[in-house]
Parts: sequence; C-alpha cells; structure tokens
Amino acid sequence: DTEVTQTPKHLVMGMTNKKSLKCEQHMGHRAMYWYKQKAKKPPELMFVYSYEKLSINESVPSRFSPECPNSSLLNLHLHALQPEDSALYLCASSQGRLETQYFGPGTRLLVL
Amino acid sequence: QKEVEQNSGPLSVPEGAIASLNCTYSDRVSQSFFWYRQYSGKSPELIMSIYSNGDKEDGRFTAQLNKASQYVSLLIRDSQPSDSATYLCAAGGISNFGNEKLTFGTGTRLTIIP
Repeated sequence: DTEVTQTPKHLVMGMTNKKSLKCEQHMGHRAMYWYKQKAKKPPELMFVYSYEKLSINESVPSRFSPECPNSSLLNLHLHALQPEDSALYLCASSQGRLETQYFGPGTRLLVL
Repeated sequence: QKEVEQNSGPLSVPEGAIASLNCTYSDRVSQSFFWYRQYSGKSPELIMSIYSNGDKEDGRFTAQLNKASQYVSLLIRDSQPSDSATYLCAAGGISNFGNEKLTFGTGTRLTIIP
C-alpha cells in the first residue's frame, strides 16, 4: 500500500482565516514533505520532516506553519494567507530523503 | 543553482507509437532519478525510479540513465491516449544548502493523438 491521504480536498479561505491541512501515511516512512504547486509549474518544496523533526524549511513565509505530531501525521497550519498563496498543496512521504516520494491527492486551496 | 531540465513540449505522438521524454541534470552527485506522471488537476504519480546506469523496464515504460552524460530518459511504447499527461523528471541530490532533496524539472506535456 503506497497511499498518502490528505484532507480537505478543497479549501476556500479568507485572508484573515486560520485553517489547517492534514496529511497521513501508514507506510512507515520516516520522511514527509509539503509542496506547493501552481498551475503548469512543478511542485515547489516547502518543508521536509525527517524522523518527526523539521529538517528543511525552504524560506517559506511564517504564515505557513508545519507540524508533525507523530511519524504518520503531518499538518500545515495556515494563517493570514494572501491570494497568491492559492495553489495545490501536496503532501508526500518517503522511506529516505533521496528515495521514492509518494504523493497524496493534494488540497486545492483558494484564498479570497 | 542545481537544475533539472526538460523540454516543456507539448510533445505529440500518434497512438501506438513510442514516446521519448528526455531530462538532463546539472548536479553530478545526484544519486536517484524518478519519472512522475501528472494528469491535469491531479497529484504526481510515480512511473519509474532508476538509480544505476543503463535501462530499467516496467511494462510499456523504460527508463534510461547515463550518469556520464547526466541524462535520463523515459520511453513509452505502444502509446495510449491515457498516457496524455505532464511527465515530471526528478533528481535526488544535495541542495546548495547541504540538504538532501529532490529537484523537479518543469515537466513535459505529452499528448497522444488517436
């Protein structure tokens, strides 16, 4: 089973809202990732957690706050987003950081 | 800046023909290479991974890696309309900040013409 799940599938939020994206995997993978993808662009890495510790933050604005409560779960907390943050947010996991990453279905976010 | 480059296409191939997708990478120490397929509005789906020089076959798909030329390719035999998608090439290596990460190319849009 190579399934990564993400909720919600779609999210519409105002610029003053606070919301969270959730990601879950039960493959025993030790690395989990958040990516942002705009239309017709490749996925853009935001954060990497390795063994539940934040190992990479790609200079992401503080209005995005990641959290890894345990080895199976990854959250992305959103606050005071801008319309340009509207995108597909992808979660992925892998056994090791240079190994195959399996992507979840994504959350389509629209910021009004 | 470590890069992975792909021809953005669109690449149009008749149904039943071989589609050839190419990718070059700049980081000589890259160790792992991946091809992902992404349908419009969907998330990337792994097609192939390759770690060693040479060919790797899986069904209608063959990945080819040449580390000396820093070149990765994906061949799709007997192309089907369902193969129409964007194909992302990714290379695993060490970023400019010393972190291990995948670097994605911009993707090649493939259209199979019935």
